[in-house]
Amino acid sequence: DAGVTQSPTHLIKTRGQHVTLRCSPISGHKSVSWYQQVLGQGPQFIFQYYEKEERGRGNFPDRFSARQFPNYSSELNVNALLLGDSALYLCASSLISGGTEAFFGQGTRLTVV
Amino acid sequence: GQQVMQIPQYQHVQEGEDFTTYCNSSTTLSNIQWYKQRPGGHPVFLIQLVKSGEVKKQKRLTFQFGEAKKNSSLHITATQTTDVGTYFCAGDNTGKLIFGQGTTLQVKP
Repeated sequence: DAGVTQSPTHLIKTRGQHVTLRCSPISGHKSVSWYQQVLGQGPQFIFQYYEKEERGRGNFPDRFSARQFPNYSSELNVNALLLGDSALYLCASSLISGGTEAFFGQGTRLTVV
Repeated sequence: GQQVMQIPQYQHVQEGEDFTTYCNSSTTLSNIQWYKQRPGGHPVFLIQLVKSGEVKKQKRLTFQFGEAKKNSSLHITATQTTDVGTYFCAGDNTGKLIFGQGTTLQVKP
């Protein structure tokens, strides 16, 4: 069985541009969460989706948005990119929305120049 | 909001020495999870603790959950070079994981 897959693996964008990151969860997993990990820090929660509905949102500006599709895959969108958005963006899938282990993808390394 | 603090930030040990990282939450946790992230990698789930005072072992790794469910620890006995990486605790808030800043372990052979 394939693990959590994210695309692209690396991305370089210019300030002010927008970006779309994609995530395919493990087959059968209905919950997808997004995290931002800045170098040297722990992952910071951005969004959680379960059964295509937003279940939680972290302390991120409205420039960040996400959605989950009927096949449970997910997209994270970031508008008006800032230099500070440079980070590793991690997607995690789990069977249910809480109380169970999260399986992380390899992440998308976003660099904003 | 809920905060999870982890100490120490870095730990350098000689191979064969023991290692411990401590995790403290500002609020009572329903459960706590531990993850390991190798350099250049992604977090990998190690274990979940749910009950007050729970202790779980995985080979050389021992995990504890405090009686008040606000703190936890990970102890590695006789470290090996394969143990290098950053160890994160994460409080589970209905699926929203609140991560500590991690403890990076370096092991000298």
